[in-house]
Amino acid sequence: SQTIHQWPATLVQPVGSPLSLECTVEGTSNPNLYWYRQAAGRGLQLLFYSVGIGQISSEVPQNLSASRPQDRQFILSSKKLLLSDSGFYLCAWSSPSKTQYFGPGTRLLVL
Amino acid sequence: KQEVTQIPAALSVPEGENLVLNCSFTDSAIYNLQWFRQDPGKGLTSLLLIQSSQREQTSGRLNASLDKSSGRSTLYIAASQPGDSATYLCAVLSGSARQLTFGSGTQLTVLP
Repeated sequence: SQTIHQWPATLVQPVGSPLSLECTVEGTSNPNLYWYRQAAGRGLQLLFYSVGIGQISSEVPQNLSASRPQDRQFILSSKKLLLSDSGFYLCAWSSPSKTQYFGPGTRLLVL
Repeated sequence: KQEVTQIPAALSVPEGENLVLNCSFTDSAIYNLQWFRQDPGKGLTSLLLIQSSQREQTSGRLNASLDKSSGRSTLYIAASQPGDSATYLCAVLSGSARQLTFGSGTQLTVLP
């Protein structure tokens, strides 16, 4: 069966510090991968999606970037965090045109 | 651009009541619609998936309907229980890139 992992589960970072959140998927190959953010009191927003290694599409301009160095690894990064980057970050995977399955999420607090 | 709206934003009901959550979307050219549950501080759990060619899906006490032409979906929860308390999210899969667009959710509280 397929599983999706995210780490860390919780992260507290100062403004201006770098960020790296990792997501890995097991039990499937060539998945579509997604990063979402849920800011406090707001709905989920798609940040990035990837249909293959090195292929990243960005949905909204922002302080963040994403990379996919391996087929089942998706990384969300920032060089300098802003207060507005605080939120709950969810990674998801899907086979093309199928339902998306979500990881447990990372709660990021930028102080 | 696809937009998804959910009403009400919050709902509080006594245990045992049947309830309906509403979801509407602006672009009817969707592949499917999903209902998710999110518990505080946790990830999403997929509840029901309705393909664009389907009218409804059922799982236990949950029933979701889809009227693609009018851009609407409802999630019906029968005989609600305190354990049903959570935020319920509606999401539609659409666009050439097959992206999920989420509503802002309905926060449900079932009182014992």
